[in-house]
Amino acid sequence: DSGVTQTPKHLITATGQRVTLRCSPRSGDLSVYWYQQSLDQGLQFLIQYYNGEERAKGNILERFSAQQFPDLHSELNLSSLELGDSALYFCASSQFRGANVLTFGAGSRLTVL
Amino acid sequence: AQSVAQPEDQVNVAEGNPLTVKCTYSVSGNPYLFWYVQYPNRGLQFLLKYITGDNLVKGSYGFEAEFNKSQTSFHLKKPSALVSDSALYFCAVIPLEGGSYIPTFGRGTSLIVHP
Repeated sequence: DSGVTQTPKHLITATGQRVTLRCSPRSGDLSVYWYQQSLDQGLQFLIQYYNGEERAKGNILERFSAQQFPDLHSELNLSSLELGDSALYFCASSQFRGANVLTFGAGSRLTVL
Repeated sequence: AQSVAQPEDQVNVAEGNPLTVKCTYSVSGNPYLFWYVQYPNRGLQFLLKYITGDNLVKGSYGFEAEFNKSQTSFHLKKPSALVSDSALYFCAVIPLEGGSYIPTFGRGTSLIVHP
């Protein structure tokens, strides 16, 4: 157990729907990162939060949004889902904002039918 | 923008033989370099990192990596492979300049160790 908790582990939904993925970082970690892993794109950075504030944005679609709450857990919201959004979504955390080792959760596997 | 290349999708090695998983990077300025491993149905786990100092870095489970600045490479090595080393390996780079500190990952290399 890495200490980073992601729910749900698996999610199957239909095109056009909206889902929310949740992440609880490791105790003491202030920074949360979201990554999307797919066979064709590899591991793509989506967004980073540090202590409640957005710090960096990657290849995140406008249909996706995220936030980090005061208790430091984070949620990734995916809306108007398309078949191509099917992927493994990872949350990772680190203690600081800088160049740190990331601790990854086990991921949330999203299947869009 | 920084990038990482892992030229081999898959590496096959016999148990007991040495293994090498290749990684080259492109970044402005000096890099932080990392190796992570992903076992089936698990998240990525940190193996080792290079920040500065000795070019040969030792990490978990007997793995090591050598930083070569002139060749912009950071190959992962292990003297004697185990079947349990079979997994997906990711190289990552963070540029020291720029201030974003977001790791860019390679596409991963599947290591298969045969008994």
